[in-house]
Parts: sequence; C-alpha cells; structure tokens
Amino acid sequence: QVQLVESGGGVVQPGNSLRLSCAASGFTLSTYSMHWVRQPPGKGLEWVAIMWHSGNNRFYADSVKGRFTVSRDNSENTLYLQMNSPRLDDTAVYYCAREMTGEGPFDIWGQGTMVAVSS
Amino acid sequence: QLVLTQSPSASASLGASVKLTCTLSSGHSNHAIAWHQQRPAKGPRYLIKVNSDGSHVKGDGIPDRFSGSSSGAERYLIISSLQSDDEADYYCQTWGTGWVFGGGTKLTVL
Repeated sequence: QVQLVESGGGVVQPGNSLRLSCAASGFTLSTYSMHWVRQPPGKGLEWVAIMWHSGNNRFYADSVKGRFTVSRDNSENTLYLQMNSPRLDDTAVYYCAREMTGEGPFDIWGQGTMVAVSS
Repeated sequence: QLVLTQSPSASASLGASVKLTCTLSSGHSNHAIAWHQQRPAKGPRYLIKVNSDGSHVKGDGIPDRFSGSSSGAERYLIISSLQSDDEADYYCQTWGTGWVFGGGTKLTVL
C-alpha cells in the first residue's frame, strides 16, 4: 500500500530545533520529487520545500529559507525536515507529499504532524 | 505572479450537483491544476488533475461522481450526487513557477 506517515511534531520553543520525519511505504522515495507543505491552524495550505528526485537538489519557500533543511535517507526510505530557529508563525500541521512523476500534482499525502512553536 | 483564486465557501443539497471554481491569475491561463479534498482533521487527498483543454485525470479510487472541466483561466471541479461525506475543504494547486495553492473552498452539504 502506497503511504506516507509523518512523525516528530510537538511543542518547540522559538530558536530551538525540531526534526520531522516522513516514512514512505509501497514505493521508493528516491524516485520521486518530494515536498513538505504546511497548514497553520484554521488556514489554508502553504508549500514549504521540495527535494527533487534527481541528485540532492532542494528548494525552499522564502518564509523558511536558511532555517529549514530537507533531506532524505534512501536506506530508510524516509524524508526529513530539519527545523532550526523556528518562529511562532511556523506553528502548523506539516504534511509530506509525493509529486506525481513528471506531472506536477501531489498525488500522495501523509496524515500530517502538528508543530507548535511556543515559549 | 502565479495566483489561484477560490471562493471561500459553497453549499448544495444532498443528492444535487455542485461546481467549484479555481481561477488562474492573468498570463497563466494555460496552466493545468489539481484538486485536493481535505475532510475535517484529515490530510489532503488528491482528486483530479484538470488540463487547460478540459481533459482530466483522476486519482486512484476517486468515484465517477467527481469530474473536471476548464474554460479560459477557470478550472472547475464538478461533484454530482452529493453525499454527506463530500462536506470538506477543496483546494486547487498548480505548479510551474513554484508550487501554489488556492485559498480553499469550504463545501457544505445541506
């Protein structure tokens, strides 16, 4: 069964760090471009970052550039989002999503993990 | 700048049909988009990709009640024979110059 399962969310103080995980099953993570998308409480979806399937190329939204890092462990078939120096406005449910091969739409989503940045 | 615009809310009666609209910003009327459904307290689910010519490709297991169409810069999601569990938020998404989501439409089934 093709599935993504996020974990690692919780409460984090501003300026600390947190690492989110996205475990894939039913497909090989490294053959797809993978994304992180977030949703602040009561608001819409916001794209955060991409890790392209080829090489280690990554790209970030301006709101997280220089603070967040996306990476991948092929042996674990897992995607990560390292959140450094989180701010109050990073509070959101974080989803990982698979990009359809060569097409653009996100065809598989995880169930999300909640991150609350609070002092 | 690539922007997607959606009405914040829509409503229709049980068993009826509803047409949700996603409008592409000026200069981007040839973009394909995708529709995603998000039920309360759940992650999004991919429904359908709609091309500029109106052709569409549905996700695995998506019922025939869901279809898509296109007119100019507008992309539509049509849901027929509305059921109670169609009550959800619906987001459109596009790609090209970045990855962009519309603000979402909250569908209420009366």
